[in-house]
Amino acid sequence: KAGVTQTPRYLIKTRGQQVTLSCSPISGHRSVSWYQQTPGQGLQFLFEYFSETQRNKGNFPGRFSGRQFSNSRSEMNVSTLELGDSALYLCASSLQGSLTGELFFGEGSRLTVL
Amino acid sequence: SQQGEEDPQALSIQEGENATMNCSYKTSINNLQWYRQNSGRGLVHLILIRSNEREKHSGRLRVTLDTSKKSSSLLITASRAADTASYFCATGDAGGTSYGKLTFGQGTILTVHP
Repeated sequence: KAGVTQTPRYLIKTRGQQVTLSCSPISGHRSVSWYQQTPGQGLQFLFEYFSETQRNKGNFPGRFSGRQFSNSRSEMNVSTLELGDSALYLCASSLQGSLTGELFFGEGSRLTVL
Repeated sequence: SQQGEEDPQALSIQEGENATMNCSYKTSINNLQWYRQNSGRGLVHLILIRSNEREKHSGRLRVTLDTSKKSSSLLITASRAADTASYFCATGDAGGTSYGKLTFGQGTILTVHP
């Protein structure tokens, strides 16, 4: 069974640009969560989607958005990039919801904002 | 504030020794999970312990949970160099929902010397 796939793995952007990250969950998993990881703040929850609906959202500004498609694939978008958005963005999928059991993480998308 | 906080922040041991990491949290939980992360990679789920369980084993891993003290410990026995990684505990609030943020601690960096 293929794992969680995140693309792109690495990307470099400049301030003010926008970026879209993609996540393909494990087949059959309907929940996709996104986390931001930085050395200073650690792992912080961005949002969780289940069956195309956002179920919960973390404390991030409106520049961070996401969506989930009918095939459970998810994208997250960050607009008007700031230097502080440089981070490893991790996507995780689960069968029924992130609080019910194991999360399966992708390798992450490392974003550098110059 | 962080729900789960690990201690120690860093641990350095020799191969064959046991490694113990502790996690404290603040609110009622449904379950507590432990994850491992190799440098710059995605997180790998190690073990999940439910709030009505006190101890759980998986291979060389032993996890305990004390809900009265709001704490958990992860013991890795007979450590190997390949166990070198960061270890995180993660908790979700017991709000009766399946969705939402897992709150990760800052992690324990374990180094196992050959």
